[in-house]
Amino acid sequence: AQTVTQSQPEMSVQEAETVTLSCTYDTSESDYYLFWYKQPPSRQMILVIRQEAYKQQNATENRFSVNFQKAAKSFSLKISDSQLGDAAMYFCAYRSPGNQFYFGTGTSLTVIP
Amino acid sequence: DAGITQSPRHKVTETGTPVTLRCHQTENHRYMYWYRQDPGHGLRLIHYSYGVKDTDKGEVSDGYSVSRSKTEDFLLTLESATSSQTSVYFCAIKEDRSNQPQHFGDGTRLSIL
Repeated sequence: AQTVTQSQPEMSVQEAETVTLSCTYDTSESDYYLFWYKQPPSRQMILVIRQEAYKQQNATENRFSVNFQKAAKSFSLKISDSQLGDAAMYFCAYRSPGNQFYFGTGTSLTVIP
Repeated sequence: DAGITQSPRHKVTETGTPVTLRCHQTENHRYMYWYRQDPGHGLRLIHYSYGVKDTDKGEVSDGYSVSRSKTEDFLLTLESATSSQTSVYFCAIKEDRSNQPQHFGDGTRLSIL
């Protein structure tokens, strides 16, 4: 089975600052997708950003960007200009070519006013 | 928002009783998934479906069965519930295009006493 590791159970950031959440994964595949999901206290799972493994360019979505290092199997999420609404649990996910998804254990992000 | 409805949203039951959770979609997506979410474990795949009557096991399938007799419905059954199956259960759907993410339902909180 594939594994996804998020080594930071908890992180905190000052409002308006930048924070980076780490994710590593293990796979022998070359064609796959990676995702970051956000889960606020409401429990909803919200897609933040996605990355196709065949694309070298790092994905960006407004204040959210990734640092995708395919050889190192690393997929970190950078949140710029952090806002109070960014406080949530963040999950990294790997999608296999067979459309199975594997999730990390999550990082709880606190935003300090 | 993706049209996914999970029912019930909350359920409390006793050990040894059968339990069925329902996931209903209005998107006509091919793929449907059941996950459980537990503290320290993130989301773990129980079963998934890639079409009507086509299902496969995930990493934590023991004690669970599924059925998909219609595109729109994916049922998760606990034949004889145990306290270790107390969890929050999420359904997710995904369309066939390879670059698409999963979209999640709002979750079902299941407590087994």
